[in-house]
Amino acid sequence: SQKIEQNSEALNIQEGKTATLTCNYTNYSPAYLQWYRQDPGRGPVFLLLIRENEKEKRKERLKVTFDTTLKQSLFHITASQPADSATYLCARLGGSYIPTFGRGTSLIVHP
Amino acid sequence: KAGVTQTPRYLIKTRGQQVTLSCSPISGHRSVSWYQQTPGQGLQFLFEYFSETQRNKGNFPGRFSGRQFSNSRSEMNVSTLELGDSALYLCASSSSGDGANVLTFGAGSRLTVL
Repeated sequence: SQKIEQNSEALNIQEGKTATLTCNYTNYSPAYLQWYRQDPGRGPVFLLLIRENEKEKRKERLKVTFDTTLKQSLFHITASQPADSATYLCARLGGSYIPTFGRGTSLIVHP
Repeated sequence: KAGVTQTPRYLIKTRGQQVTLSCSPISGHRSVSWYQQTPGQGLQFLFEYFSETQRNKGNFPGRFSGRQFSNSRSEMNVSTLELGDSALYLCASSSSGDGANVLTFGAGSRLTVL
């Protein structure tokens, strides 16, 4: 079965630095990977989607990459701010497969 | 436009009881999916409905069920509650349920089973 794995350890960085979060998947390559942000006690909020045939996607300070050889997606937040502190979820959705979310990585940006 | 609305936001039940949670999707969205989120297991898929038909189901026991109405509103029911059912139940809607369509989540229903 497909698994989505994210680093369970919290990522602590200083304000202004670039945060890089990792999402690894097993077995077959998903057609799409999506990234969501979740704040405590709230539902996840969509950030970015990347297709299998795309190497990179950007949106403002956010960047996502997709490497089918490494079976990995990287999520970058440049010029990070304390307001970026949250849990970030990677997800494979769509098709006839069961939607699968990673457990998320907590990002803490220190002022 | 209005987001995804889930009710109730919080509820406390005792073991053996049943619970029904409601979800109103974004207007025009025909796909509604449900997820259980716990600290230990993360976000796990329960089931997805599209135009009143269940299209996909996760690996949960039959005590978990759902349905979708003609107006796309959805309900999920958990019968014979167990302590382990304590979780945040999230509903999400999308226009088609395809992987290229993003999910819009509600704020969730926090269920505590005593």
